[in-house]
Amino acid sequence: GNSVTQMEGPVTLSEEAFLTINCTYTATGYPSLFWYVQYPGEGLQLLLKATKADDKGSNKGFEATYRKETTSFHLEKGSVQVSDSAVYFCALSGPWDDYKLSFGAGTTVTVRA
Amino acid sequence: ETGVTQTPRHLVMGMTNKKSLKCEQHLGHNAMYWYKQSAKKPLELMFVYNFKEQTENNSVPSRFSPECPNSSHLFLHLHTLQPEDSALYLCASSQEGRDLHEQYFGPGTRLTVT
Repeated sequence: GNSVTQMEGPVTLSEEAFLTINCTYTATGYPSLFWYVQYPGEGLQLLLKATKADDKGSNKGFEATYRKETTSFHLEKGSVQVSDSAVYFCALSGPWDDYKLSFGAGTTVTVRA
Repeated sequence: ETGVTQTPRHLVMGMTNKKSLKCEQHLGHNAMYWYKQSAKKPLELMFVYNFKEQTENNSVPSRFSPECPNSSHLFLHLHTLQPEDSALYLCASSQEGRDLHEQYFGPGTRLTVT
């Protein structure tokens, strides 16, 4: 079945530091890959997505590239801000008609001023 | 604004109470989901409704009873819950039939069972 493994947190950074959160997946075929973010007291929001190998998703300064050869979808941001403090979830769905999302355990990121 | 609303945002109930959680989506989607988010555990998919038909029930105890009267509304009826059911309950929706299975989440209901 489909599964997602992401690096455990918590991760604590200073403002303007570089952030990387590793995510690897197991799936048959070509799933769609997502990063969701959950800010304190809120539900999950889609941060970025990619649907095929070598696609790069990007949003709000965050990027992730769909790497089929390493089955990875690592999240990166070059210069984090305090407002980026949140829990980040890697997820996949599919392929085909398997529309359910499989989530990683989440990584808590805290950015200090 | 995610287009998915949930009420109430917070709920405290005793183990003998009966309550309901409500979810409404304003996105014209045809699939809706209930998830349970507990501390230090991955998100757990509880129920899936596709075109108002329940297509998934992930071995959820019968004290949780979903209802989907139409494609815009989803309820989770609760009765005789246990303290370990305390969690954040998230509703989500998506438009199935497209290639990209992107789900939109509501803000959640924080449930505490005393």
